[in-house]
Amino acid sequence: QQPVQSPQAVILREGEDAVINCSSSKALYSVHWYRQKHGEAPVFLMILLKGGEQKGHEKISASFNEKKQQSSLYLTASQLSYSGTYFCGTEGYGQNFVFGPGTRLSVLP
Amino acid sequence: DGGITQSPKYLFRKEGQNVTLSCEQNLNHDAMYWYRQDPGQGLRLIYYSQIVNDFQKGDIAEGYSVSREKKESFPLTVTSAQKNPTAFYLCASSIVYGPEYEQYFGPGTRLTVT
Repeated sequence: QQPVQSPQAVILREGEDAVINCSSSKALYSVHWYRQKHGEAPVFLMILLKGGEQKGHEKISASFNEKKQQSSLYLTASQLSYSGTYFCGTEGYGQNFVFGPGTRLSVLP
Repeated sequence: DGGITQSPKYLFRKEGQNVTLSCEQNLNHDAMYWYRQDPGQGLRLIYYSQIVNDFQKGDIAEGYSVSREKKESFPLTVTSAQKNPTAFYLCASSIVYGPEYEQYFGPGTRLTVT
C-alpha cells in the first residue's frame, strides 16, 4: 500500500522552512527519505528505523512516529539546492518496500 | 571511484523484442534493486536481490526477469510480455553496516519501446 505524502507541492523563498509528511495505513518498521532532481536518479537522504527516532544532517532532519505510522521531513533555512521532488519510502511487516508519490519542492531566490 | 553504472543511458527498441539493461556496482554492497519510474510518479520495485544467486519479486515483476550470478552485477531483462515497457529504469544497491545504512542509485536507463 503506497504511503500518502503531503503537501503535493510547496514553493519557498530561500531561507524559509518546510515540512513534508509521509503517512501509511499499515504498521511500519522503517521509513526512507530521498530527493530527486529533474532528470536525475534519486539520492538517499536518511533511514529511520525506530519509533520516535529523529535523524538529520545539516539542515535536513526527519522524525518517525511509529504509533501514528507517519514520518516528517524538516528542511530548515532552505537553499536553492534543496529544490527537487522528495519521496518517502516505507517498509512494513510482510510488505515490500514502497515509495510515496512525491512532494515537489521549489526554492526561489 | 565507487559507484553504480547503468548502461546505456537511452535505449530504443521495437515492440516484441526482449532487451537487457545492465547494472554494475563496485561498492561491495550486498543488496541490489531494480525500480521503474513513470513520468511524474514515484518509483516502483520490480525485483531485488539480497545475496548472489537469490532474488525476489517486487510489486511489478510481471514481464521482467533478472539474474544475480555475481555480487557486482544485476541485469534486468524487459521481455515482450511487459505491456508498457517505456519508462525510466533505476538500479540501486544498499548495505547495512552496524547501525548504519547506505544506499545509492545508478544514473538510470530511459527505455523507449515503439
